[in-house]
Amino acid sequence: AQSVTQLDSHVSVSEGTPVLLRCNYSSSYSPSLFWYVQHPNKGLQLLLKYTSAATLVKGINGFEAEFKKSETSFHLTKPSAHMSDAAEYFCVVSDEGGGYNKLIFGAGTRLAVHP
Amino acid sequence: DTEVTQTPKHLVMGMTNKKSLKCEQHMGHRAMYWYKQKAKKPPELMFVYSYEKLSINESVPSRFSPECPNSSLLNLHLHALQPEDSALYLCASSLTGTTEAFFGQGTRLTVV
Repeated sequence: AQSVTQLDSHVSVSEGTPVLLRCNYSSSYSPSLFWYVQHPNKGLQLLLKYTSAATLVKGINGFEAEFKKSETSFHLTKPSAHMSDAAEYFCVVSDEGGGYNKLIFGAGTRLAVHP
Repeated sequence: DTEVTQTPKHLVMGMTNKKSLKCEQHMGHRAMYWYKQKAKKPPELMFVYSYEKLSINESVPSRFSPECPNSSLLNLHLHALQPEDSALYLCASSLTGTTEAFFGQGTRLTVV
């Protein structure tokens, strides 16, 4: 069965410093992986997706993630944090068994950005 | 148009009320989903519709009744809810059953 583990429940950075949000996955086959962001009282926005093409995936708002099969990781990074990046981030794996897209969510990482 | 639109944004209902949540997308997506999200938790899948047919029901209580009138619309009918059903209800859609999902802004439901 597919699963994801987000290694940090909270991450706090200063504005202008790098962001690293860590995610490990478990999958019996080559997975589809996603990062979504959720601002307070809002829906989820897709940041980026990995679907077995390039292992370095670029997303919106300067975020990127690298798929590392040997480490079963899909960490999210951004070179320079902005105040508007403060939000909840979810690492998600797609369980496509049976042909339907069941998104398996990690527990989430709350990113705080301080001046 | 890359939006999934949910109405209403907020809903307060009593335990004996009947209400409906609505979701609409015009992206030509053929799969639509309902998720429930409690505070400080990730979303949990409730239902999946694929080509307007119910494909997955994650053992959701019958007081939640989904309906897919056409490929653009998804409703969630609510009846006799409990206070513990208070949550953010998120609708999502995807082009097919195996592509990335796009989420609406959610309906914040409070059951009193």
